Amino acid sequence: DAGVIQSPRHEVTEMGQEVTLRCKPISGHNSLFWYRQTMMRGLELLIYFNNNVPIDDSGMPEDRFSAKMPNASFSTLKIQPSEPRDSAVYFCASSPTGVSGNTIYFGEGSWLTVV
Amino acid sequence: AQKVTQAQTEISVVEKEDVTLDCVYETRDTTYYLFWYKQPPSGELVFLIRRNSFDEQNEISGRYSWNFQKSTSSFNFTITASQVVDSAVYFCALSPGSNDYKLSFGAGTTVTVRA
Repeated sequence: DAGVIQSPRHEVTEMGQEVTLRCKPISGHNSLFWYRQTMMRGLELLIYFNNNVPIDDSGMPEDRFSAKMPNASFSTLKIQPSEPRDSAVYFCASSPTGVSGNTIYFGEGSWLTVV
Repeated sequence: AQKVTQAQTEISVVEKEDVTLDCVYETRDTTYYLFWYKQPPSGELVFLIRRNSFDEQNEISGRYSWNFQKSTSSFNFTITASQVVDSAVYFCALSPGSNDYKLSFGAGTTVTVRA
């Protein structure tokens, strides 16, 4: 079975450029998450979607960050304009819903470097 | 608020040694879920185990075993007869029953297994 698929795996961009990260969740999973991993802050939840609807975006750092989920099989995380401090690994994850404490399955991550 | 503490930052062992990773958690929820994830050098986050707060049975899966003790709020992980492929960062995480999508991660323990 295919896991969570993320693209690109690696991205190097210049400060000020727009960055778009993409995610395809596991088929049948109704919950989708975007996490960010940095050395300083560890793994932190950015945003959570349930049935394509954003439920909790309190972790989104600022207005430069936006996320969308136009359908059940696709989500994007956009950073515009990007800054060097946005350099991190961005993980997309998905989970089935309906049962509390469902396991969250992560993609391989998108490694972003902003220079 | 939830908190997960992994006091061990790094552990280095020689192949075939056993290694135990400590995880201590804090939560006010009576229902909660505990997880361990593995992050190998390639960077992906791999799910290892999930436990709910009502199930204190220890679990063994091959060379991996987990010891859940509610009395001490601990969920420790032991790798028996470690192998070089076990080298990775291991994360303990907690999901409260009240908001089960809120997965809080510990800082991670880096395990290095030397041949």
